[in-house]
Amino acid sequence: QQQVKQSPQSLIVQKGGISIINCAYENTAFDYFPWYQQFPGKGPALLIAIRPDVSEKKEGRFTISFNKSAKQFSLHIMDSQPGDSATYFCAARGYGGATNKLIFGTGTLLAVQP
Amino acid sequence: GAGVSQTPSNKVTEKGKYVELRCDPISGHTALYWYRQSLGQGPEFLIYFQGTGAADDSGLPNDRFFAVRPEGSVSTLKIQRTERGDSAVYLCASSSGPLYEQYFGPGTRLTVT
Repeated sequence: QQQVKQSPQSLIVQKGGISIINCAYENTAFDYFPWYQQFPGKGPALLIAIRPDVSEKKEGRFTISFNKSAKQFSLHIMDSQPGDSATYFCAARGYGGATNKLIFGTGTLLAVQP
Repeated sequence: GAGVSQTPSNKVTEKGKYVELRCDPISGHTALYWYRQSLGQGPEFLIYFQGTGAADDSGLPNDRFFAVRPEGSVSTLKIQRTERGDSAVYLCASSSGPLYEQYFGPGTRLTVT
């Protein structure tokens, strides 16, 4: 119930293509869904986040699509660039109570080929 | 401004030894989190501080792990009697409040030999 399932595990995309990473959750108490980007040897960096009261959020080339009824959300990277090659993690946060911990997916290793 | 900093960046210790990992949050951030990231996995929650108090320590794996934040700023994660299974990257994150975005530090890579 506390898990966030992420797919695919790895992804290869050509430069200029669209990268799509999917996540699913079960706990309807989750109220905040961020995506993090992580380069080797670095900490995760917040990329974009969404709350369940909207179905889509776009920031530059990055878009989150959110389907509340299906309990799924996805990250779309438009015009993918070699510099986007990194590991991407989706996460979810529960609302209320004493904790604001993030539950992370297992990550997607993205390689954008030039 | 300065981000979250963690020291040391790397720590190699022998099985059974005691280690301390330090986190300096973003100035003014009241919430501080510790996560552990094993190779090929997403970060896993360990403990959350709001101010000086641990509001949630449900992620600490056992009583060998302990964390403090005595003045509501810097935090130290302490691991006693280290085991090889403790080897991982320990990440610290901070936020300006409990419902705000969490910003991560670069992590401390702990290797227990």
